[in-house]
Amino acid sequence: GDSVTQMEGPVTLSEEAFLTINCTYTATGYPSLFWYVQYPGEGLQLLLKATKADDKGSNKGFEATYRKETTSFHLEKGSVQVSDSAVYFCALMWTGRRALTFGSGTRLQVQP
Amino acid sequence: DAMVIQNPRYQVTQFGKPVTLSCSQTLNHNVMYWYQQKSSQAPKLLFHYYDKDFNNEADTPDNFQSRRPNTSFCFLDIRSPGLGDAAMYLCATSRDQAYEQYFGPGTRLTVT
Repeated sequence: GDSVTQMEGPVTLSEEAFLTINCTYTATGYPSLFWYVQYPGEGLQLLLKATKADDKGSNKGFEATYRKETTSFHLEKGSVQVSDSAVYFCALMWTGRRALTFGSGTRLQVQP
Repeated sequence: DAMVIQNPRYQVTQFGKPVTLSCSQTLNHNVMYWYQQKSSQAPKLLFHYYDKDFNNEADTPDNFQSRRPNTSFCFLDIRSPGLGDAAMYLCATSRDQAYEQYFGPGTRLTVT
């Protein structure tokens, strides 16, 4: 079945450092891919998405590119802030199924 | 602002005592979902409604039921909570044929 694999956390960075959180998926075909962010004590918020190969999703300085060759959707940000500290979930969804399959999440801690 | 609202934010129940969690939305979305998220894990889909059509995930225990009396409201009923049901319960909505799911803040359930 479909699955999403994320790098284990926590990832601890200093403010203004470069961020990469790896995400790979296993699926037959080309699902839509998402990054969600969960701040402490809150629900999930959609951060960005890509619906087809080579699409780049971007939002709030975060970017991720849908790479079908490597079945990856790595999250990047050039300069993290303390306020980016949260748990980041990679997810996939098939059109028509209407259900998300999440990775296990990666906790990011940004220190001042 | 249009949003997904969950009540209560924190719920404590006793082992075996039925409990109901509530979700409402002002987005007028026709799909509503319930996810269970245990500590440090990814959200896991329990079931979803597409309009009035109920869709249960194959591995959702019978102990979990849901009701959707109208477009705006959806309830999660746990008939006999066990200690293993302690988790964050997330409600989400989406518009038909759209990809984005909008999440509420969640209800944290404690079973004593």
